[in-house]
Amino acid sequence: DGGITQSPKYLFRKEGQNVTLSCEQNLNHDAMYWYRQDPGQGLRLIYYSQIVNDFQKGDIAEGYSVSREKKESFPLTVTSAQKNPTAFYLCASKGREGQPQHFGDGTRLSIL
Amino acid sequence: AQTVTQSQPEMSVQEAETVTLSCTYDTSESDYYLFWYKQPPSRQMILVIRQEAYKQQNATENRFSVNFQKAAKSFSLKISDSQLGDAAMYFCAYSEAYSGAGSYQLTFGKGTKLSVIP
Repeated sequence: DGGITQSPKYLFRKEGQNVTLSCEQNLNHDAMYWYRQDPGQGLRLIYYSQIVNDFQKGDIAEGYSVSREKKESFPLTVTSAQKNPTAFYLCASKGREGQPQHFGDGTRLSIL
Repeated sequence: AQTVTQSQPEMSVQEAETVTLSCTYDTSESDYYLFWYKQPPSRQMILVIRQEAYKQQNATENRFSVNFQKAAKSFSLKISDSQLGDAAMYFCAYSEAYSGAGSYQLTFGKGTKLSVIP
């Protein structure tokens, strides 16, 4: 079945540590996205990528980094510069124009 | 910048009854897409329904339908014959129609928590 796989489901970060969240899709979608969700809030865009080897900052990119070396993969690194990383992170991908974004099951990141 | 507003943080409905969730948005574009996503306790984001702004006909998907008022920039979701499984957070979202300098990114409202009473 085609879909988006995020791992791990739960992740804990120590102070000063970088952590990487994985996102893989087998939908053959060109565009991929990372969103952050805080309690009682909607989703906010961190980074997006429309093609391989290209990505753009979203609304809240500070303290995060991404790469897009393969069409299927769009990992997100939460760096030590992100002072409030505790949140639920959702990855999404999108096919052709007009089609909706499809979401993974998310990763819950917490601080130890 | 586009904004999406959901003015009802929480709503409740009796099982088998009908409920309407409100959403307004702000944009200077004439072409765009609007979506309703459902997020149950499992935290998955599930697409409920999609509306294309250039289509005047309101979208419907089984028990879910929208009332799209383009001039008023309003996009409400009606759930008929509510079921226990409809209990979830519902998010209204906006997307541009053309990539251009953008990304087809989704702009979300803050959500409405729907409870279904047996």
